[in-house]
Amino acid sequence: QKEVEQDPGPLSVPEGAIVSLNCTYSNSAFQYFMWYRQYSRKGPELLMYTYSSGNKEDGRFTAQVDKSSKYISLFIRDSQPSDSATYLCAMSAPSTGGSYIPTFGRGTSLIVHP
Amino acid sequence: GAVVSQHPSRVICKSGTSVKIECRSLDFQATTMFWYRQFPKKSLMLMATSNEGSKATYEQGVEKDKFLINHASLTLSTLTVTSAHPEDSSFYICSARRQERTEAFFGQGTRLTVV
Repeated sequence: QKEVEQDPGPLSVPEGAIVSLNCTYSNSAFQYFMWYRQYSRKGPELLMYTYSSGNKEDGRFTAQVDKSSKYISLFIRDSQPSDSATYLCAMSAPSTGGSYIPTFGRGTSLIVHP
Repeated sequence: GAVVSQHPSRVICKSGTSVKIECRSLDFQATTMFWYRQFPKKSLMLMATSNEGSKATYEQGVEKDKFLINHASLTLSTLTVTSAHPEDSSFYICSARRQERTEAFFGQGTRLTVV
């Protein structure tokens, strides 16, 4: 079992839909949670960074963390064709050496069609 | 903002030559930089973690003599692919963070093609 599970998709939705992207994890030591957006042949772009359980909102994006269920989500409201990209979840815990090393999901490909 | 610049964005080199990729944090000091490799439609594979002023920590299976990493300053890390082979062709991406427990920001990536 991988430490971070993420459905690769693709997830295809119509413009204006609410998108729900999810990751599950097995390591209860994960403390910090991130969502990145990656367009083809580009580096990932940080969308959200959260620490505690609960919701964090930024514009059309809402990140949700449920540590008890080891489940995180990213919601995108009023989705646009420009949101079409791969969305990577990431989370970090202290390694044996004490450094926080991010562990990434494999990414979910999102397609928003007009 | 937090900007990480990676250069070059694309490079083609001949087999047996070496290629250097630079990663710079433009508006913050990065105590840690990460180097990743990404295959098509695959997730990021961590190659190594570098902390300013110390030797890089390589992930299992990554040849440290082939992928030389230097983090000489708080704003610059370099990855040198030595004696490149066609199988080294890939997308290499760096990320940088200010300190532990903070988010990491990525560079634009470097598409390396070895012919």
